[in-house]
Amino acid sequence: AQSVAQPEDQVNVAEGNPLTVKCTYSVSGNPYLFWYVQYPNRGLQFLLKYITGDNLVKGSYGFEAEFNKSQTSFHLKKPSALVSDSALYFCAAPFDSWGKLQFGAGTQVVVTP
Amino acid sequence: DAMVIQNPRYQVTQFGKPVTLSCSQTLNHNVMYWYQQKSSQAPKLLFHYYDKDFNNEADTPDNFQSRRPNTSFCFLDIRSPGLGDAAMYLCATSRAREGYNEQFFGPGTRLTVL
Repeated sequence: AQSVAQPEDQVNVAEGNPLTVKCTYSVSGNPYLFWYVQYPNRGLQFLLKYITGDNLVKGSYGFEAEFNKSQTSFHLKKPSALVSDSALYFCAAPFDSWGKLQFGAGTQVVVTP
Repeated sequence: DAMVIQNPRYQVTQFGKPVTLSCSQTLNHNVMYWYQQKSSQAPKLLFHYYDKDFNNEADTPDNFQSRRPNTSFCFLDIRSPGLGDAAMYLCATSRAREGYNEQFFGPGTRLTVL
């Protein structure tokens, strides 16, 4: 079965410090991997995706993610966190050929001033 | 801007009183999804449409139904809401059903059941 896992329920970081949100995957074949962000009382917003090619993927709002096949990871990163980055982050992967998404449990990011 | 719109943003209904949530999209995407999300958990897929082809998830209760009268609109009908149906309902679209297509989400409708 294909799945993604987010090992941290919450990540706390001070504004201006680097932010990392972890995701590991268990996907057969070539994985497609996604990151979404959800602000309070809002829908999910697409940040970035890995399909193939360059292992470093750049996305919206200054976020990037590194695909690491040997560690089966797809961690989300931002060099300098902002208070406005405080939100719920979901890693996801399609679990069938129709593109239905398997989401991780989510990681709450709290950025303090 | 192209977008996914959900109405209403907040819906209050009574136990057992039918309710309809609506979703529209200006993206002209072929696929539309309905998710249920409870208290910061991961969204749970209820069903999706690929064009007019309806696909129900195996564990979606019969209490939940959907209609897609045209490409732009999709409705979620809850025939007899229970207290356990209180949640955020998210509509999403994608261009096609291949796994590499990202999904675009609406802002959600928060349903309260009294």
